[in-house]
Amino acid sequence: AQSVAQPEDQVNVAEGNPLTVKCTYSVSGNPYLFWYVQYPNRGLQFLLKYITGDNLVKGSYGFEAEFNKSQTSFHLKKPSALVSDSALYFCAVSSLARGSYIPTFGRGTSLIVHP
Amino acid sequence: DARVTQTPRHKVTEMGQEVTMRCQPILGHNTVFWYRQTMMQGLELLAYFRNRAPLDDSGMPKDRFSAEMPDATLATLKIQPSEPRDSAVYFCASGLDTQETQYFGPGTRLLVL
Repeated sequence: AQSVAQPEDQVNVAEGNPLTVKCTYSVSGNPYLFWYVQYPNRGLQFLLKYITGDNLVKGSYGFEAEFNKSQTSFHLKKPSALVSDSALYFCAVSSLARGSYIPTFGRGTSLIVHP
Repeated sequence: DARVTQTPRHKVTEMGQEVTMRCQPILGHNTVFWYRQTMMQGLELLAYFRNRAPLDDSGMPKDRFSAEMPDATLATLKIQPSEPRDSAVYFCASGLDTQETQYFGPGTRLLVL
């Protein structure tokens, strides 16, 4: 069975500082990895994904994530945080099972960027 | 700008009543997912379809929940009878395939009294 862990319920960072939101996963095959963001009272929005190729993936709003196969991690990063980045962030993994890809989401990490 | 739409956006009902939630996926997407979000459980996958065929509904309470896709432009999630523990935000998402990016609708906020 596949799983996703987001070990931090909340991450606090000052505006202008770099941020990292952690994600580790467990799958039996090759993973498809995603990050989504959810603003209050909204649906989830796609940020970036890793399927294959370069381990560093760049996405929307200046976010990037690094796929680390040996550590089974896919941490989300941004060099300089903005107050407007404050939101709930979800990591998701999908792998082939019973002929289709079944997505599994982490519990989410609340990012709070302080002015 | 193509979007997933969901109706209603808000629903307040009494225990025992039937609730029907509707979703219109993005045109051309062949995969539809239903999720439930609560503070306690986070985001739970209830069911999903590919080319209108149900692939997995193991996350759904079978005795009261049902999910269908009458046609390619409409997915429905029904709860009958509803219970207070069903109170949650229900999201629909669509994608080009099950391993591809999912595009989420704005959600239906359900309150069962």
